[in-house]
Amino acid sequence: ETGVTQTPRHLVMGMTNKKSLKCEQHLGHNAMYWYKQSAKKPLELMFVYSLEERVENNSVPSRFSPECPNSSHLFLHLHTLQPEDSALYLCASSQDNMSPLHFGNGTRLTVT
Amino acid sequence: SQELEQSPQSLIVQEGKNLTINCTSSKTLYGLYWYKQKYGEGLIFLMMLQKGGEEKSHEKITAKLDEKKQQSSLHITASQPSHAGIYLCGADEAGGYNKLIFGAGTRLAVHP
Repeated sequence: ETGVTQTPRHLVMGMTNKKSLKCEQHLGHNAMYWYKQSAKKPLELMFVYSLEERVENNSVPSRFSPECPNSSHLFLHLHTLQPEDSALYLCASSQDNMSPLHFGNGTRLTVT
Repeated sequence: SQELEQSPQSLIVQEGKNLTINCTSSKTLYGLYWYKQKYGEGLIFLMMLQKGGEEKSHEKITAKLDEKKQQSSLHITASQPSHAGIYLCGADEAGGYNKLIFGAGTRLAVHP
């Protein structure tokens, strides 16, 4: 599946760092999503953007800040993270709110 | 909020054997998705079921939706090593915008 590309694949950051995760979709979809996958926990929906407007913010701490400049790009800005934020962060896109999600390969984040 | 319970949590089968994975919802299912994930990678969409009694097949994988039981099953016939991975079911919380929640996953290993 190469329709949704995430960079970087791996990221190690200290608690005082600021970094950003990038997601790009080449499928012409109108909705984009951020999910968090922690060890031994189900996938957790973080944010949903539909036509570049945020339509869901699933009680995510403010140290995670999403940005969707256009329908093809989605960012997740990170600052002052905690070690428990270490996880696989997955980006997904869909044509509309009735269509299946297409996922990227994720960014493996480690907070030290 | 809705919860999805998958069983079994893990499964080891001999190549050529059939197997079934179940996904049970705590609430009415409006749409049920099956995904496969290889370790540390993104999710690959397998099938979407929307109507009670619906059954879909792709190659050797068949999924069914039992609306009354709020349950879906995924059946693999004549399993192969390529079927190994984590199978996740996802359901739409009916809030629109594809607010999918996921089960914890079933880890499948297929031994030659």
